[in-house]
Amino acid sequence: GQNIDQPTEMTATEGAIVQINCTYQTSGFNGLFWYQQHAGEAPTFLSYNVLDGLEEKGRFSSFLSRSKGYSYLLLKELQMKDSASYLCAVQDSNYQLIWGAGTKLIIKP
Amino acid sequence: ETGVTQTPRHLVMGMTNKKSLKCEQHLGHNAMYWYKQSAKKPLELMFVYNFKEQTENNSVPSRFSPECPNSSHLFLHLHTLQPEDSALYLCASSQASGSSNEQFFGPGTRLTVL
Repeated sequence: GQNIDQPTEMTATEGAIVQINCTYQTSGFNGLFWYQQHAGEAPTFLSYNVLDGLEEKGRFSSFLSRSKGYSYLLLKELQMKDSASYLCAVQDSNYQLIWGAGTKLIIKP
Repeated sequence: ETGVTQTPRHLVMGMTNKKSLKCEQHLGHNAMYWYKQSAKKPLELMFVYNFKEQTENNSVPSRFSPECPNSSHLFLHLHTLQPEDSALYLCASSQASGSSNEQFFGPGTRLTVL
């Protein structure tokens, strides 16, 4: 079967760095997405990786290793507004998105 | 209006009611999606429409009936729902399905079935 694993919840301190991991087992691979979802709001796109390596976008970076079925989202200089759920999703061979259950990130002052 | 809009934002219905959820996208996209989001569970893809044609139906019960009259509008008709259908229903759109395009989501309809 197809499976996406990510931690249920993480806690970090304002100003610090946090890494949210995602491992996947899917039927084929056509890219990995990270989305951010604040409570009661729509998920919003953060990043897309299809090749191995690190993609940096401001305070957020996303890494992919296809051979290991592994990705992480790195958030630097954490701000209180970064408190949200972070969703990992993989596109399988049919370009269908397979979603993880999301990681709830709690930022403490 | 910009982006993806959904109405209503909240809906409470009895098991014998019939209601409809509406989604509209103002992005010029050709693909639209319905998802179900339950607490602490992954997003569940329900239906996909690409250029107004339904291309995915992920074993969704017939009490959920989608309608896509054009590329900008998507409806989800609900009838004789069960309490376990209570969830957040998200609509999304993308340039087209079957490609690596990001999906843009609406704010969702929070559905409670009594």
